[in-house]
Amino acid sequence: KAGVTQTPRYLIKTRGQQVTLSCSPISGHRSVSWYQQTPGQGLQFLFEYFSETQRNKGNFPGRFSGRQFSNSRSEMNVSTLELGDSALYLCASSLAADRGLYNEQFFGPGTRLTVL
Amino acid sequence: ELKVEQNPLFLSMQEGKNYTIYCNYSTTSDRLYWYRQDPGKSLESLFVLLSNGAVKQEGRLMASLDTKARLSTLHITAAVHDLSATYFCAVDSWGKLQFGAGTQVVVTP
Repeated sequence: KAGVTQTPRYLIKTRGQQVTLSCSPISGHRSVSWYQQTPGQGLQFLFEYFSETQRNKGNFPGRFSGRQFSNSRSEMNVSTLELGDSALYLCASSLAADRGLYNEQFFGPGTRLTVL
Repeated sequence: ELKVEQNPLFLSMQEGKNYTIYCNYSTTSDRLYWYRQDPGKSLESLFVLLSNGAVKQEGRLMASLDTKARLSTLHITAAVHDLSATYFCAVDSWGKLQFGAGTQVVVTP
């Protein structure tokens, strides 16, 4: 069974630009979550999508947005990039329809974004 | 707000010795996960702990969960070089994982 895939794996952008990252979940998984990992802040939750709806959101500015398509693939967009957005962005997928239940998340390889 | 604290943040291990990583969290939860991350890589799931008193073991690693104390431990038995990595605990709060800061483990001969 194929795992979570993310594209691109590496990206270099300049300040002020925008970027779109893509995530394909494990087949059958309908929930996709996004996390940002930086040396200073560690791993932080961005948002979660389930059945094309944002179901959960972390504490990030509105420059960070996402969406999910009917095939459960998800994209994350960051507009007006800042130097501090340089990070590893991880996508995770899970089966659970009910957030109150067991919800093991499987992580993709990540997209490393560098903002110059 | 849920807070997750791991300690120590860095652990230098000698091969063959035993060590423990601690994960404390601030609010009630009965779902806790342990992940391993190698440099430049993604997160690999190690253990899923879903109830008070849960204990899981895989090879030299054993994880346990005490929901009353809001504490999970990851015990490493007879450390070997292959266990060098960063270990994260994460508490599940309605589908949102709150991670600890991670424990960087270096195993030396």
